[in-house]
Amino acid sequence: GDSVTQMEGPVTLSEEAFLTINCTYTATGYPSLFWYVQYPGEGLQLLLKATKADDKGSNKGFEATYRKETTSFHLEKGSVQVSDSAVYFCALHRMLTGGGNKLTFGTGTQLKVEL
Amino acid sequence: EAQVTQNPRYLITVTGKKLTVTCSQNMNHEYMSWYRQDPGLGLRQIYYSMNVEVTDKGDVPEGYKVSRKEKRNFPLILESPSPNQTSLYFCATRGGVRSYEQYFGPGTRLTVT
Repeated sequence: GDSVTQMEGPVTLSEEAFLTINCTYTATGYPSLFWYVQYPGEGLQLLLKATKADDKGSNKGFEATYRKETTSFHLEKGSVQVSDSAVYFCALHRMLTGGGNKLTFGTGTQLKVEL
Repeated sequence: EAQVTQNPRYLITVTGKKLTVTCSQNMNHEYMSWYRQDPGLGLRQIYYSMNVEVTDKGDVPEGYKVSRKEKRNFPLILESPSPNQTSLYFCATRGGVRSYEQYFGPGTRLTVT
């Protein structure tokens, strides 16, 4: 079955540091890939997505490239801010026969950004 | 404003006492689902519904029930809660078959003692 593996957290960085959160996946076919962000006390929000190989998703300074050859979708940001402190989830989306869909989430990586 | 609302946001209850967590959306979305979030396990889907009166099991349906009598509402029912159902629960919606983005509610933190 589908699975998503994320690096363990928490990740603690100083403001303006470079961020990488690793994500690899196992799936057959051509799933879509997502990063969701969860700020403290809130639900998940879609951060960025990529629907096919070599696509780059980007939003709010974050980027991730869908690499089919390495089955990866690593999240990067060049300069993090304190306001980026949150939990980040990598997810894989697959359409099911009959019109349903399935989102498979990684375990989440907590990011703490300090001044 | 597009919204997914859940009630209650926090609930402490005792083993065996039936409870319902409500979920309502104002986006006219067809697809709704319930997830639970547990440390080290990420989010796991409990049930989903593709439209009114159409529901199906997700990955962890045991101990839960759902109903979809109206498009906007998708309540989660725990007939006889147990401590292993202590978790953070999220309702989510998406627009249609070809829509990727899911919109999540704010979450309900349930503690079963």
